[in-house]
Order: sequence, then structure tokens, then C-alpha cells
Amino acid sequence: AQSVTQPDIHITVSEGASLELRCNYSYGATPYLFWYVQSPGQGLQLLLKYFSGDTLVQGIKGFEAEFKRSQSSFNLRKPSVHWSDAAEYFCAVGARGGATNKLIFGTGTLLAVQP
Amino acid sequence: GAVVSQHPSRVICKSGTSVKIECRSLDFQATTMFWYRQFPKKSLMLMATSNEGSKATYEQGVEKDKFLINHASLTLSTLTVTSAHPEDSSFYICSASNASHAYNEQFFGPGTRLTVL
Repeated sequence: AQSVTQPDIHITVSEGASLELRCNYSYGATPYLFWYVQSPGQGLQLLLKYFSGDTLVQGIKGFEAEFKRSQSSFNLRKPSVHWSDAAEYFCAVGARGGATNKLIFGTGTLLAVQP
Repeated sequence: GAVVSQHPSRVICKSGTSVKIECRSLDFQATTMFWYRQFPKKSLMLMATSNEGSKATYEQGVEKDKFLINHASLTLSTLTVTSAHPEDSSFYICSASNASHAYNEQFFGPGTRLTVL
């Protein structure tokens, strides 16, 4: 069965510091991979996605993520965090093929940014 | 493109009443729509998947008679919470997809906050 693990429940970084949010998945083949961000009381905003091709994916707001098949990981990175990046971040995996395209979400990582 | 809306954004109702939440795809035809539930400080839990014109497929543990889903058109799906109880209070998010979109990508609505008193 598919699963997604985000080991870090809560991370605090200083503004301007670099950021890496971890995501590990379990899936029998190469999945579709997504990172979403959610501000309090808001819906999900897609940051980036990986379907195939280049394993380093660029997203919005200066985020990037790297798919590492050998490690079953899809970690999210940003070189310099801004105070507005404080939010909840969700990694998700989607199944390839089939009649449906369900997404399985990780438990989320809450990012706090210190001035 | 690929915008999904939800209405209402917030709703407060009394215990025992029913509440309907609408999910609309504004600029594409959604062959499949999904309904998620999110508890405070928790992840999204898929409740059901609905294909236009078909009965919804519910995830294990989700009561289909409690959470009625209708996907009558290619741009509208509704979730009705029947005989609502305080434990139904949650944030409900819908998403929509179309097979013509690359890799059947899902596009998410902004969510509906339901509070049952």
C-alpha cells in the first residue's frame, strides 16, 4: 500500500536561513509526487510536482524538491526562508495508471519562521 | 486555469440539521471529484471519490448515509452532511480532476469550515 511519511511534525528556522522538509514514500513503482502548502484556515496551494524526467523540480515561491528513487524521498528545499513561508506543508503521493488518481497525504510539517 | 471553488467557505449549524457544501470547477470539466476531511492540525483524509453520473466510492470507515455525495454535472459536486453532530465539525476540502489533464492532476478548492453546535 502507498504511504507517505513526513518525519518532522514541527520545524522552526530563522528568516534567511535555508530549509529542508523531509518526505519519504512507500510505493511499488515511481509515483507522482507533490508538495502543497496550507496557510491557517485556507485550502491547499500546489508548490511543485514530479511526474517524470529531471529529478530536480522547481516550484513557486523559490521552492525546489529532488526525487531520489534510491532513498524513496522527495525532500523540499528553499535556500532562504521568508517570514511569509510560515505555514503547514504537505507531501503527497499519487498512484500511476488505473481508473482513479487518489492522493495519499503525509501528516504535514508545520514551519515556523523566527525573525 | 483549473480553478475550483467551494461554497460556503464557513457554515455554522445546529446539531441534527443537514448541511450542503458545493464544489465547482470553474474553467474545466471535472470528470472526477474528491472530498477530503481535515481535522485541526491533522492531514487530509480522503472521504470519497465521485465520477460524474455515477455513485460515489467511499473510503473505508466513511458512512455513505451520513455524507451524501452527488456529482450530477461535470462542474458541480455536492457533499451533504446529514443529521450533523458536533463531531462532524471539521474543514472539508474538495478537489477536481479531468482525464485530459496531465497525469490526472487534482486541483483543490479553498475548503469549507463546518461548525456544528
